[in-house]
Amino acid sequence: EVQLVESGGGLVQPGGSLRLSCAASGFTFSSYEMNWVRQAPGKGLEWVSYISSSGSTIYYADSVKGRFTISRDNAKNSLYLQMNSLRAEDTAVYYCARSSSLGIGFDYWGQGTLVTVSS
Amino acid sequence: QLVLTQSPSASASLGASVKLTCTLTSGHSNYAIAWHQQQPEQGPRYLMKVNSDGSHSKGDGIPDRFSGSSSGAERFLTISSLQSEDEADYYCQTWDTGTVVFGGGTKLTVL
Repeated sequence: EVQLVESGGGLVQPGGSLRLSCAASGFTFSSYEMNWVRQAPGKGLEWVSYISSSGSTIYYADSVKGRFTISRDNAKNSLYLQMNSLRAEDTAVYYCARSSSLGIGFDYWGQGTLVTVSS
Repeated sequence: QLVLTQSPSASASLGASVKLTCTLTSGHSNYAIAWHQQQPEQGPRYLMKVNSDGSHSKGDGIPDRFSGSSSGAERFLTISSLQSEDEADYYCQTWDTGTVVFGGGTKLTVL
């Protein structure tokens, strides 16, 4: 069974940092592209970042470019999101999601971890 | 710019059918999209991929009541024999080089 379990969320002050983790199991992690997606309270889904299976290709949404860093450790079956210079508008539930091998869509999602940026 | 447009809300009666629409911006009418369901207080769940020719491929365990189709720049999600648990938010999603785009979502109410 495919499982994605996020952790690392919490309350952080504006300007602070946080590192999210996503533990993957039930599939060959190193063969799949991965993503982070967030959802602000009461709002829709917003894609945050993408990383290729090897980690060689990375993309970011403009809203987080220069502040967030995506990475992965295929030996540990883990995906990460380092978030720096956090702002109130970064408050959201953060989901990790696996890219489908069909090329479009995320075929598995985690349950999410809440990040709250507030003083 | 690639944009996906969805109606904010839809409603249908228990046991009936409903067809949700996701519209691609002009110039992107040949793009495939994915549909996701998000039930209240839960993470999203992948439903299916819908191609421009109307063919679709569903995710693991998705009931036959869910189907996809296409017409021009529109991509559809049809849910038949509506059940109470189908009351949820539905998002379409697509991909272009370097970016992923979500529609604004449609909140489906089952009456």
